[in-house]
Amino acid sequence: TQLLEQSPQFLSIQEGENLTVYCNSSSVFSSLQWYRQEPGEGPVLLVTVVTGGEVKKLKRLTFQFGDARKDSSLHITAAQPGDTGLYLCAGGDNNNDMRFGAGTRLTVKP
Amino acid sequence: KAGVTQTPRYLIKTRGQQVTLSCSPISGHRSVSWYQQTPGQGLQFLFEYFSETQRNKGNFPGRFSGRQFSNSRSEMNVSTLELGDSALYLCASRFRAASYEQYFGPGTRLTVT
Repeated sequence: TQLLEQSPQFLSIQEGENLTVYCNSSSVFSSLQWYRQEPGEGPVLLVTVVTGGEVKKLKRLTFQFGDARKDSSLHITAAQPGDTGLYLCAGGDNNNDMRFGAGTRLTVKP
Repeated sequence: KAGVTQTPRYLIKTRGQQVTLSCSPISGHRSVSWYQQTPGQGLQFLFEYFSETQRNKGNFPGRFSGRQFSNSRSEMNVSTLELGDSALYLCASRFRAASYEQYFGPGTRLTVT
């Protein structure tokens, strides 16, 4: 059973489109991280959010942590083929023990 | 600063054999976690070591074990390999157990035949 539910599981879009992926849980997290993983490589940390309602921007990526610290979203504006990958969210409990969602596999077609 | 390194990158073993994987964390990081990643189960937590002590353990059989050395380098061992152990094994380090961010290595791809 996944503590963190990510949706959609798969997403295929054209270059230039916008998209949002979600990470939901019934548990409250002290922190939440988003990673991107490319085939055959380890996940790369994109961002950490720790405050309910927090919004962070990283170029064309916007990350939001829900007010109740149970959910998060990642919005990508004008997606590019280089954004292709597996997007993973990970939640940390009070001991900062991390649990991962199953991921959203994004394909951006040129 | 060099990233997390894992050796070997690829490994092919036969059922029943054992295997040892190695992980060197980022310099100064004292916490090392191990994960198993498969297409069906996603990223599953194996265990975490901090200052040579196992701090936390996931829901894996006793065939999976690990240790950490005084220089923070870590090894994980899988004994009596099964076909289902084929996976990408990832190591992640963080400065200390209470740190938010983890940094992953490239992984070791283990294939059991």
